[in-house]
Amino acid sequence: ETGVTQTPRHLVMGMTNKKSLKCEQHLGHNAMYWYKQSAKKPLELMFVYSLEERVENNSVPSRFSPECPNSSHLFLHLHTLQPEDSALYLCASSQELGQGPYEQYFGPGTRLTVT
Amino acid sequence: KQEVTQIPAALSVPEGENLVLNCSFTDSAIYNLQWFRQDPGKGLTSLLLIQSSQREQTSGRLNASLDKSSGRSTLYIAASQPGDSATYLCSGAGSYQLTFGKGTKLSVIP
Repeated sequence: ETGVTQTPRHLVMGMTNKKSLKCEQHLGHNAMYWYKQSAKKPLELMFVYSLEERVENNSVPSRFSPECPNSSHLFLHLHTLQPEDSALYLCASSQELGQGPYEQYFGPGTRLTVT
Repeated sequence: KQEVTQIPAALSVPEGENLVLNCSFTDSAIYNLQWFRQDPGKGLTSLLLIQSSQREQTSGRLNASLDKSSGRSTLYIAASQPGDSATYLCSGAGSYQLTFGKGTKLSVIP
């Protein structure tokens, strides 16, 4: 596998379920990100991790819980979601965090539908 | 707070035409400006990244420019092809946060 991979690619869950999204980067990067893309809205940054430490939580509801066990893996744990949480969830990574020419590389996304 | 606007929201052109996509941002204190392509239901593919000290970048038929003083960037696509049909997103980078526009949906008609 190369680049940034995400699993599952599609997920349908009820509002009382608990599920997790997984992201893995094979680029040797030190920073990882979760974004949410809802219909007709710009991508929104949710969480940022640098060297497994969370550095940003953009006012995301507690029903979304990130986990970064190492610099290659990032999870988003979901519980008690609402229908408005249905969206495309994108993971990204970059070589470093901070100023400069650090391109972000994106995974293919998980299409989440909450019923 | 950074805001990014992309105009037009949608664009349809015949194959072979040259075209320009526009991006404007409110906070000129960006570290870089990145253009992405997104195919339906897919992730983002990085096309070009312009550092704040640069004025333009080129890759094949694509050329992106950056004018920080006016808060504008353009993506020029030469000799458009049906395979260029996608949504094009621009993003301005703060220290680590990318702020995205809503994108321009491009359709290239054979």
